[in-house]
Amino acid sequence: SAVISQKPSRDICQRGTSLTIQCQVDSQVTMMFWYRQQPGQSLTLIATANQGSEATYESGFVIDKFPISRPNLTFSTLTVSNMSPEDSSIYLCSVAHQETQYFGPGTRLLVL
Amino acid sequence: AQKVTQAQTEISVVEKEDVTLDCVYETRDTTYYLFWYKQPPSGELVFLIRRNSFDEQNEISGRYSWNFQKSTSSFNFTITASQVVDSAVYFCALGKVYNFNKFYFGSGTKLNVKP
Repeated sequence: SAVISQKPSRDICQRGTSLTIQCQVDSQVTMMFWYRQQPGQSLTLIATANQGSEATYESGFVIDKFPISRPNLTFSTLTVSNMSPEDSSIYLCSVAHQETQYFGPGTRLLVL
Repeated sequence: AQKVTQAQTEISVVEKEDVTLDCVYETRDTTYYLFWYKQPPSGELVFLIRRNSFDEQNEISGRYSWNFQKSTSSFNFTITASQVVDSAVYFCALGKVYNFNKFYFGSGTKLNVKP
């Protein structure tokens, strides 16, 4: 399996600010994904991040709000920009590895 | 259309009881993957099992077992002799074989195991 770490594990932010979440995996992977999980809900895919190309965003998510970087095959960042209380969620990164998606521990974000 | 339905929103059992979590899926694909994940209160999503659509053999891993029935499009998960540590939200997911960014999650079933 792939071992994934995320930073920060949790944060409390003020509305209007931005937060960058880091995702590090212990092996080189082609596909990395960012998900949002709102309180009590299932997971929703924000975007797919492939190294060397622009991230592909799902319907309802835009690059200006959720810019993503993928500088190499083991690392990615997701920025939540101009935050509002509605952005309070768990943000999870995952990787496709050996025909399975493995998930990081998540970042719990609370926006006041 | 691809869809995963977990009709049980929340289940409560007493420790040592057996419990089955239901998962029903819809897909037009002939080959696909099915998954179960566990999300404890800490929030991490833990991979439990992957099943390929052409492998209908049931699987047992310790107290966990999975029943895959293509005829009824179901992939149910049974925990035998449940323990308090099994308390979590369990997600069933459907994945496309050739387009791995397409992952369809069910709404999850929250399992409460009481001592």
